[in-house]
Amino acid sequence: ETGVTQSPTHLIKTRGQQVTLRCSSQSGHNTVSWYQQALGQGPQFIFQYYREEENGRGNFPPRFSGLQFPNYSSELNVNALELDDSALYLCASSLVLAGGSEFFGPGTRLTVL
Amino acid sequence: RKEVEQDPGPFNVPEGATVAFNCTYSNSASQSFFWYRQDCRKEPKLLMSVYSSGNEDGRFTAQLNRASQYISLLIRDSKLSDSATYLCVVNWMDSSYKLIFGSGTRLLVRP
Repeated sequence: ETGVTQSPTHLIKTRGQQVTLRCSSQSGHNTVSWYQQALGQGPQFIFQYYREEENGRGNFPPRFSGLQFPNYSSELNVNALELDDSALYLCASSLVLAGGSEFFGPGTRLTVL
Repeated sequence: RKEVEQDPGPFNVPEGATVAFNCTYSNSASQSFFWYRQDCRKEPKLLMSVYSSGNEDGRFTAQLNRASQYISLLIRDSKLSDSATYLCVVNWMDSSYKLIFGSGTRLLVRP
């Protein structure tokens, strides 16, 4: 069984640029969620995808967008990067649409200069 | 009021000690509850789900009090390897799905 994988592991961008982060869900999982974790904080829910549709969204501006593909992998896109976007971005997959526990990937550490 | 609140700690305890963490949540429509463990610079990992009847997994016991909107985690006979940040997590559906993490409680177990 393959766990959740994310790429890249680290990324450095400058303000105003755009970034795409990628996630492959755990084998058999059809739901993917994305989180932003700033240093010293718990993960903040960005959004969740189920069957290629956004199923829920946290308090993040529209410049945070995502996609889910038929194989359940997912992308997180962030436009017009700001310094405060520097964080660990975590992808998590689950089998149950809502109410189930989630399994996290190792994350992508994004630094915005 | 934060949606999920935890004491940030750190809790600094000797090996073998018993330590308890508490967590409160604001949304009475919350449906599922979990404790996750996060080691430094690693991803969160599910420690255990929390049920109304309470549940135990080895040295770990979780309790849920829906009336008080309160969740607890008890760790008995602490090991050095228990040193980590413990995240309280609440899941609810309002207009859409949300999984809300607390900021975490840091545990340091000393020899």
